[in-house]
Amino acid sequence: DSGVTQTPKHLITATGQRVTLRCSPRSGDLSVYWYQQSLDQGLQFLIQYYNGEERAKGNILERFSAQQFPDLHSELNLSSLELGDSALYFCASSVAGSMGNTIYFGEGSWLTVV
Amino acid sequence: DAKTTQPPSMDCAEGRAANLPCNHSTISGNEYVYWYRQIHSQGPQYIIHGLKNNETNEMASLIITEDRKSSTLILPHATLRDTAVYYCIGQINAGGTSYGKLTFGQGTILTVHP
Repeated sequence: DSGVTQTPKHLITATGQRVTLRCSPRSGDLSVYWYQQSLDQGLQFLIQYYNGEERAKGNILERFSAQQFPDLHSELNLSSLELGDSALYFCASSVAGSMGNTIYFGEGSWLTVV
Repeated sequence: DAKTTQPPSMDCAEGRAANLPCNHSTISGNEYVYWYRQIHSQGPQYIIHGLKNNETNEMASLIITEDRKSSTLILPHATLRDTAVYYCIGQINAGGTSYGKLTFGQGTILTVHP
């Protein structure tokens, strides 16, 4: 158990819909990362927050957004969902958003868009 | 980016040492080498990381060459449960600011057989 909690574990929704994935980082961790893993793309970095502020952005679509709240939990919002958005979404956290800090991953949220 | 190159797959007999190589010839002097593994769609699991010196923990050993152009992850006594995709990652330093995100490649599929 990494200490990073993600909900829901599984989600099935229709195209065009919007979903919110939630992440609680490990106790004491200030930085949260979101990754997407699909069969053909591997693990792709989406976005990182540090203490409530966006720190780095990766291959995140404009239909997707995220935020980190004052209690440090984070949410990833996916809207206008398409079939290709079906993937495993991982949240990860680290103490600080800097090099040399170990990043711990949650067990992921399986999103299926039908 | 510190590009890493790993063999796509390797086999190892149970009880033997598994030696997983990684080339990272473009790694810069202040970039860490991280190793993670992912067991069948579970969240990536941190194994070990290092900068210049060899490192050892309860899971594995990391041997980094003196020129830092390559490294080897050693699982001293592989078990069937070590069958996974192993990722070697150079932690990216973006524009002089340490963001801490990890960029995953395709990794090495390690199969441990009886």
